[in-house]
Amino acid sequence: GNSVTQMEGPVTLSEEAFLTINCTYTATGYPSLFWYVQYPGEGLQLLLKATKADDKGSNKGFEATYRKETTSFHLEKGSVQVSDSAVYFCGYNTNAGKSTFGDGTTLTVKP
Amino acid sequence: KAGVTQTPRYLIKTRGQQVTLSCSPISGHRSVSWYQQTPGQGLQFLFEYFSETQRNKGNFPGRFSGRQFSNSRSEMNVSTLELGDSALYLCASSKDRVGTEAFFGQGTRLTVV
Repeated sequence: GNSVTQMEGPVTLSEEAFLTINCTYTATGYPSLFWYVQYPGEGLQLLLKATKADDKGSNKGFEATYRKETTSFHLEKGSVQVSDSAVYFCGYNTNAGKSTFGDGTTLTVKP
Repeated sequence: KAGVTQTPRYLIKTRGQQVTLSCSPISGHRSVSWYQQTPGQGLQFLFEYFSETQRNKGNFPGRFSGRQFSNSRSEMNVSTLELGDSALYLCASSKDRVGTEAFFGQGTRLTVV
């Protein structure tokens, strides 16, 4: 069935470290792929997206590339900051109005 | 423009009671979706409404229901509350196009005691 598998957390990094959060999906067709971020006490905010194969989404130093051949959309950032501490959700949308999400990965960045 | 607004932000209810949560989407967005977020289960899709009709439905019992009004505002109702219904309930609105992102509200934190 349709699903999203994210790297299990929690992930703890030191400031300025390199971040990768893996995400793979199982879906029919050509879904649009998203990364959302959730700060404590808040809803989800769109971080970046990609709508077709080989597209690269980017925002605030984060990047993810839509890899159709490996059905992946891994999130990367070259140098994390304490303010990046949050929960990150990978998801996709193939059906207007319904998105499927992974379980979320908690990132903690220590000074 | 204003974002997605959910009310109330926090709610405490007793087992067996019922509760209604409200969501006002972004102006112009006609699709409203509801999700349940719990530490153990992640983000689970409840249902989606479009033009006052339920268009998509997740795998939740009939105690969970919703509706959408002509101005696209939506309400979600949970009857006969159980302790396991304690969660953050998130509403999201989007334009009615496949591939467009959802915009989330801050959620309603429901605690059932």
